[in-house]
Amino acid sequence: GAGVSQTPSNKVTEKGKYVELRCDPISGHTALYWYRQSLGQGPEFLIYFQGTGAADDSGLPNDRFFAVRPEGSVSTLKIQRTERGDSAVYLCASSQQPNTEAFFGQGTRLTVV
Amino acid sequence: AQSVAQPEDQVNVAEGNPLTVKCTYSVSGNPYLFWYVQYPNRGLQFLLKYITGDNLVKGSYGFEAEFNKSQTSFHLKKPSALVSDSALYFCAVRAADGNKLVFGAGTILRVKS
Repeated sequence: GAGVSQTPSNKVTEKGKYVELRCDPISGHTALYWYRQSLGQGPEFLIYFQGTGAADDSGLPNDRFFAVRPEGSVSTLKIQRTERGDSAVYLCASSQQPNTEAFFGQGTRLTVV
Repeated sequence: AQSVAQPEDQVNVAEGNPLTVKCTYSVSGNPYLFWYVQYPNRGLQFLLKYITGDNLVKGSYGFEAEFNKSQTSFHLKKPSALVSDSALYFCAVRAADGNKLVFGAGTILRVKS
């Protein structure tokens, strides 16, 4: 597709469950970012991939959060033992190079009940 | 560590009047600066960026921003506001030698007819 695609657009899960959020970046973009946006706040950096490797995972809040990008394209953000505080919109972005603008997907709205 | 401050939670302007949305930043080394806009239930859309060169950069929808190194500012401007410009605006900064894109908390722009 022409833009960054994120699935699902909405996800409701019970506290304690495991969830996976998928990001399909713009074709050819080597840099991929995950952000989390809570209501009324700016996007909060989670992790950055350059190719297949996580170049910076300093924003992951704890070890329940993990992300992979095994083939350097699609990425999956994985959250174990979800908590109500994990509820937010999870945004994915990609860029052609690390120093160019990033293009964002529509986000996945995660609600933990 | 990088940071962005958007001192105004909300900016109100009359249609046809000039608008300014303020942004100041803190980063080690040279900054890459960006503005994004977010409409309700939509993803973040890239507006413009400063990487190097002229301090006044022009972007989408008639917006421009002025980079001021001494004041560490990157204010967003438009000569004549439209009602359709009403949205949430985010300023972001990345260090020239870094990967992480850090966002401000956002400023709501309301343009009234």
